[in-house]
Amino acid sequence: GAVVSQHPSWVICKSGTSVKIECRSLDFQATTMFWYRQFPKQSLMLMATSNEGSKATYEQGVEKDKFLINHASLTLSTLTVTSAHPEDSSFYICSAPDSGRRYNEQFFGPGTRLTVL
Amino acid sequence: QQQVKQSPQSLIVQKGGISIINCAYENTAFDYFPWYQQFPGKGPALLIAIRPDVSEKKEGRFTISFNKSAKQFSLHIMDSQPGDSATYFCAASIKGGSEKLVFGKGTKLTVNP
Repeated sequence: GAVVSQHPSWVICKSGTSVKIECRSLDFQATTMFWYRQFPKQSLMLMATSNEGSKATYEQGVEKDKFLINHASLTLSTLTVTSAHPEDSSFYICSAPDSGRRYNEQFFGPGTRLTVL
Repeated sequence: QQQVKQSPQSLIVQKGGISIINCAYENTAFDYFPWYQQFPGKGPALLIAIRPDVSEKKEGRFTISFNKSAKQFSLHIMDSQPGDSATYFCAASIKGGSEKLVFGKGTKLTVNP
């Protein structure tokens, strides 16, 4: 399948600091990317849809000023968690649909484990 | 109407057995139904997907059965192996994978040796 990477794979930060997570499609272009968070033993919760060249679309209840999304190019989207607090600790995963495939199949990155102290 | 209901929550199968996971949906606009496999600490990996124009799709040991009238679809894992032990998520979306996926709550599969 197509490859989506994330960086960093894990990060520990102090409360009040900001953390940036990168999501890259390595072998295809993605005009859209999706950001999820996942708590232990739970399903994936969609946070926002990242659109290349335009503003992200946030799901209900997700603070857009806290979770800043920038889709800078057709292969890169970034999620910045601003003024992080311990309750933001979670597993953040991005995905991207490959429009070159028959069903525009969506491929996921390996995830980023964020721990806020 | 946006929900996808998945069952069972957990499943234990003996090596060589058949694992069956079921999902049901309400939104008839859904036209794409993928299954993802996730190991602890990893991102979900696309396993197999189906569109409503077919009732069954098989890839190796994995088969999706789709019942459009009942709005149900299921994943069958034949000859289950310990390496298949993971959490499986069904999902659904409109316009293929280019739109946001609605996920089921997941099924934790354990295959005993």
